[in-house]
Amino acid sequence: AAGVIQSPRHLIKEKRETATLKCYPIPRHDTVYWYQQGPGQDPQFLISFYEKMQSDKGSIPDRFSAQQFSDYHSELNMSSLELGDSALYFCASSLKGYYTDTQYFGPGTRLTVL
Amino acid sequence: EDKVVQSPLSLVVHEGDTVTLNCSYEVTNFRSLLWYKQEKKAPTFLFMLTSSGIEKKSGRLSSILDKKELFSILNITATQTGDSAVYLCAVDIHNQGGKLIFGQGTELSVKP
Repeated sequence: AAGVIQSPRHLIKEKRETATLKCYPIPRHDTVYWYQQGPGQDPQFLISFYEKMQSDKGSIPDRFSAQQFSDYHSELNMSSLELGDSALYFCASSLKGYYTDTQYFGPGTRLTVL
Repeated sequence: EDKVVQSPLSLVVHEGDTVTLNCSYEVTNFRSLLWYKQEKKAPTFLFMLTSSGIEKKSGRLSSILDKKELFSILNITATQTGDSAVYLCAVDIHNQGGKLIFGQGTELSVKP
């Protein structure tokens, strides 16, 4: 079965550079979520989109922005990168329903900021 | 503040042992509780629980939810080395855009 696709899988950037992470949800899923997971930490919610509209916002820095496109893929744009942004960034997707909003996670993008 | 707490934080057992992982939560507008397994990569979905007292089962894994006492347990019987992973508990809340609130995870190590 098709899963969530994220690209790139690994990314190395310098401080103050920008980065763009991409997420392609499971086909027919209408909701995308972004999470950040630091070393040894649990995933922290950043932002989510439903039908191309932002549906919730978590602890996402102002330096980050995201959007969901007409084909439901999503991009997380990160500017003025800091050392502390080094983390695993997961995208998850779901099909919105009253009880069946199970989120399925992509393989993640490991961002290293030097 | 919404909170999910897992215990123990780490656990070392031998193959064949049975383990019970705990997850308690304090949230407003609870919708569902989910268990994920994470092995150095993306969390893999295990169970979603919405109703109290109904056991979900998949092979050697099972889970149950108690909405009155606000906790869930994940049982793994006859553990194998391949069960070694971090097990994450997460709660989904109504009207919050579907964001998951994760617990800290339980790191399970199964020794041969």
